[in-house]
Amino acid sequence: AQRVTQPEKLLSVFKGAPVELKCNYSYSGSPELFWYVQYSRQRLQLLLRHISRESIKGFTADLNKGETSFHLKKPFAQEEDSAMYYCALAREWGQNFVFGPGTRLSVLP
Amino acid sequence: KAGVTQTPRYLIKTRGQQVTLSCSPISGHRSVSWYQQTPGQGLQFLFEYFSETQRNKGNFPGRFSGRQFSNSRSEMNVSTLELGDSALYLCASSISGTTNNEQFFGPGTRLTVL
Repeated sequence: AQRVTQPEKLLSVFKGAPVELKCNYSYSGSPELFWYVQYSRQRLQLLLRHISRESIKGFTADLNKGETSFHLKKPFAQEEDSAMYYCALAREWGQNFVFGPGTRLSVLP
Repeated sequence: KAGVTQTPRYLIKTRGQQVTLSCSPISGHRSVSWYQQTPGQGLQFLFEYFSETQRNKGNFPGRFSGRQFSNSRSEMNVSTLELGDSALYLCASSISGTTNNEQFFGPGTRLTVL
């Protein structure tokens, strides 16, 4: 069965510090992994996906199939990065995503 | 262009009643997915519709159903409401429903079952 875990419910870092949001998954096939973000009073929105290998707002994520992980990283956190972050997995085709429980990132001044 | 809209935004029902929620996707999007979000279970996939056909289904009881119209608007229905159905229901639309297409979320409908 597909499953996504995010071990930290809350992560607090100081502005300018590096940040890493952890995501691990279990899936027998070839998954597609995503990070979604929800800023305060805004809709859930896509941050990045592993297939595009892009950096959005300074965030990157590398899919490690050996460790079944897709950790989200940013070298220097900004206060505007404070939000709820969800890791999500989808099968090769289709929109039936499995979301992790989410990690609330708080960037302190 | 206008984003995904959901109506109503808030709803209060009592146990045993049924409820219908509506989702209007972004113009040109043919795939609509529904999710249930609760503090305990997080975001869970309900079902996905594409071109008026249910294409994918999550692990929810048959009380949860949906449909999609020819204009891609979608409705979901929950019959015989239970207290545990209290949740934020999100819908998301994408162009064709493949993971290559970004899905855009609506603001959600918050359902409270008393």
